[in-house]
Amino acid sequence: AQSVSQHNHHVILSEAASLELGCNYSYGGTVNLFWYVQYPGQHLQLLLKYFSGDPLVKGIKGFEAEFIKSKFSFNLRKPSVQWSDTAEYFCAVSWGTGRRALTFGSGTRLQVQP
Amino acid sequence: DAGVIQSPRHEVTEMGQEVTLRCKPISGHDYLFWYRQTMMRGLELLIYFNNNVPIDDSGMPEDRFSAKMPNASFSTLKIQPSEPRDSAVYFCASSRSTGVRDQPQHFGDGTRLSIL
Repeated sequence: AQSVSQHNHHVILSEAASLELGCNYSYGGTVNLFWYVQYPGQHLQLLLKYFSGDPLVKGIKGFEAEFIKSKFSFNLRKPSVQWSDTAEYFCAVSWGTGRRALTFGSGTRLQVQP
Repeated sequence: DAGVIQSPRHEVTEMGQEVTLRCKPISGHDYLFWYRQTMMRGLELLIYFNNNVPIDDSGMPEDRFSAKMPNASFSTLKIQPSEPRDSAVYFCASSRSTGVRDQPQHFGDGTRLSIL
């Protein structure tokens, strides 16, 4: 079965530290890649997406992600985190050009300390 | 521009009762998804619809769960009878097809369901 892995379950950083969250997916041809963020008590919000083209994708709030096809990875990065980035981050993937359903990773809980 | 609207926001009920969760997708979106989020299993897709037709219900846990989409602006997820292990946050999401590639899904605020 196709799967999405997020290896960092809980990350604690100080403000201004750099962030990189890992996401790997299982092989399956064409992929559509997403990162969502869920602030405490809120719904999921899209941070960024990749369909094709430039593998370095810029999203909202200073986040970016790089698609590395050879590594089946789509890691999320931010050069300098803020306390307000405290949230849970989900990588999500859909395979192919017809199936719309997303498979989510288990999520990474980011805690930014002031 | 209204987002995905779910109701109720919170539901507490006793085991064995019927539970109905409701979702109104964003106008113009032709895909609707139901997800369940728990600590143990994370976010799981339950079922999704395209143009009101169920496309994939392989994630529906068992026959106690059913989902309908009678029209483009409304969907329900029903659990009958409910069990404590159904306690979770249920999210509805919708998206718009613009070709062969996926467009981002927009999520509702979720329904926090507690079965006592």
